[in-house]
Amino acid sequence: DAGVIQSPRHEVTEMGQEVTLRCKPISGHNSLFWYRQTMMRGLELLIYFNNNVPIDDSGMPEDRFSAKMPNASFSTLKIQPSEPRDSAVYFCASSLTSGTPTDTQYFGPGTRLTVL
Amino acid sequence: GENVEQHPSTLSVQEGDSAVIKCTYSDSASNYFPWYKQELGKRPQLIIDIRSNVGEKKDQRIAVTLNKTAKHFSLHITETQPEDSAVYFCALMDTGRRALTFGSGTRLQVQP
Repeated sequence: DAGVIQSPRHEVTEMGQEVTLRCKPISGHNSLFWYRQTMMRGLELLIYFNNNVPIDDSGMPEDRFSAKMPNASFSTLKIQPSEPRDSAVYFCASSLTSGTPTDTQYFGPGTRLTVL
Repeated sequence: GENVEQHPSTLSVQEGDSAVIKCTYSDSASNYFPWYKQELGKRPQLIIDIRSNVGEKKDQRIAVTLNKTAKHFSLHITETQPEDSAVYFCALMDTGRRALTFGSGTRLQVQP
């Protein structure tokens, strides 16, 4: 099992540029989560999908952020235009949601984003 | 949304001592409480979890206790070792959102 795969692992970009982060969940998992981690705000949920459908995007900071899940094995988080305050580690996690609220979430290695 | 308070923010113990980290919450409907360990530069990894119908769960040197009446749960690490040094996050499942809400983290340092 390869686990959750994220790319790129590191991204350095300039303010105003578009950034796309990618995630491949664990095969067979039907829920996917995007988190952002910063020193100031800790681990925050941005959005999560169930069966490829966005369920809750209340954590998305603003319209510059968008996320898609075109199929069960791929999701993207896009920031356009990027700003220095978007610098953070972005984690993707997946789980097998079976109807109980105890579904373990498995995290990917994260993407460290630096916006200059 | 749900709020989780985690204390202490930093904890330093001598190797072999015990460490306790506590989290309090407000939503009585929360019914799943996992703990994650995050080493520097690494991803959060689940180390133990507990459901609301259980008061305590143990896995070798790690245990979690839950007091639903008082709305708090705690992580206990016994016989600490230097490799236990990391940031520990409590979390709970927000039943309305079916997503995890994390505490602010505790940086544990085990001194050899």
